[in-house]
Amino acid sequence: QVQLQESGPGLVKPSETLSLTCTVSGGSFSSYFWSWIRQPPGKELEWIGYIYYSGYTNYNPSLKSRVTISIDTSRRQFSLNLSSVTAADTAVYYCARRIRTHDGGGFHFDSWGQGALVTVSS
Amino acid sequence: DIQMTQSPSTLSASVGGRVTITCRASQIINSWLAWYQQKPGKAPKLLIYASSSLESGIPSRFSGSGSGTEFTLTISSLQPDDSATYYCQQYSDYPLTFGGGTKVEIK
Repeated sequence: QVQLQESGPGLVKPSETLSLTCTVSGGSFSSYFWSWIRQPPGKELEWIGYIYYSGYTNYNPSLKSRVTISIDTSRRQFSLNLSSVTAADTAVYYCARRIRTHDGGGFHFDSWGQGALVTVSS
Repeated sequence: DIQMTQSPSTLSASVGGRVTITCRASQIINSWLAWYQQKPGKAPKLLIYASSSLESGIPSRFSGSGSGTEFTLTISSLQPDDSATYYCQQYSDYPLTFGGGTKVEIK
């Protein structure tokens, strides 16, 4: 059974870069779309982007200019960098596995990490 | 972007009662919709994908229906463990978007 675990600093200063890593254990690492999603306190979920195991990426246009997602298949990790952060970037950041079903009808998030709270403050 | 609108934002129901949550998409998304359950301090948990397909291990009291722009999540017999916030999410187009959530409380 796959497990995902986020890691990284819980506090980032304004204008700096937020960096998180997701480590995947169990299950296959290939043929999935590895994603980042965030949730500001008390608010709804926001998709940040994904990386395919081949390295192909797709980002939310609202964050695209500041986001980089990378992957290290040998370590079974993928990472999020979000630059020039402000207080509005304070959120719980989740990593998640996105799966496409064989019939193509499903393309959803089936496994999530526990989440990492990142606060942007000086 | 495709906007996902859920209603109601909060509901209260008795144990054993039937609960229906609605999710409307701002444009046609066929059946490209998933439902998640989130409890406080926890990650979302997949319940339903492709509008009506039940994820493995999810109790059969949960069901989903709809296509096009209007979708529903139904809990046929509400249990105390179902107290949570429920989110719909479309995967018809990018960026992927979520609804605002429906908080389900037990009376």
